[in-house]
Amino acid sequence: AQSVTQLDSHVSVSEGTPVLLRCNYSSSYSPSLFWYVQHPNKGLQLLLKYTSAATLVKGINGFEAEFKKSETSFHLTKPSAHMSDAAEYFCVVRGGSNDYKLSFGAGTTVTVRA
Amino acid sequence: NAGVTQTPKFQVLKTGQSMTLQCAQDMNHNSMYWYRQDPGMGLRLIYYSASEGTTDKGEVPNGYNVSRLNKREFSLRLESAAPSQTSVYFCASSEAGGPLQPQHFGDGTRLSIL
Repeated sequence: AQSVTQLDSHVSVSEGTPVLLRCNYSSSYSPSLFWYVQHPNKGLQLLLKYTSAATLVKGINGFEAEFKKSETSFHLTKPSAHMSDAAEYFCVVRGGSNDYKLSFGAGTTVTVRA
Repeated sequence: NAGVTQTPKFQVLKTGQSMTLQCAQDMNHNSMYWYRQDPGMGLRLIYYSASEGTTDKGEVPNGYNVSRLNKREFSLRLESAAPSQTSVYFCASSEAGGPLQPQHFGDGTRLSIL
């Protein structure tokens, strides 16, 4: 079975400063990992995905994430936050014998201060 | 590009009423999913359809039924609504199987049961 833990339920940053969202995963198999973003009253949008290729993954809107197997982590970063980054972010793992099921973290809400 | 379309966007029901949530995708995807989103719990899978003609239970199927009407459409039915089913419901779709395929989400149906 697989699961994810998002270590922060809420992160607040100033515009122009770095953003770090932390995610640890548990999986019995070589996992596929995703980060999704959800803006208010909207569905989830894929930011990036890791599928056992390069460990540093670049996504849309300047986000990137690094897969660290030894630490079972997949943290999301952005060098400089923008007001439009205010949203909820979900770390997601997909793996195991049934490839159709995703396991979602509880989410991290990002607030960006002007 | 429409992507995944869910109807209705909002609905209020009384306990015991029935309701069908509709979902359609125009990306020619084989797999479709229904999730519910509750505060602090991320998304939980209700049912999924790996391909046209098949459906399977997810984490929280009790109180729900689904129909994969054709390749484009996947509906979710509440036969006798209960207050515990108050939630935001998301439909998603993806290419057939495998860990490389991310899921694409609709904007959600916000359902309140009184």
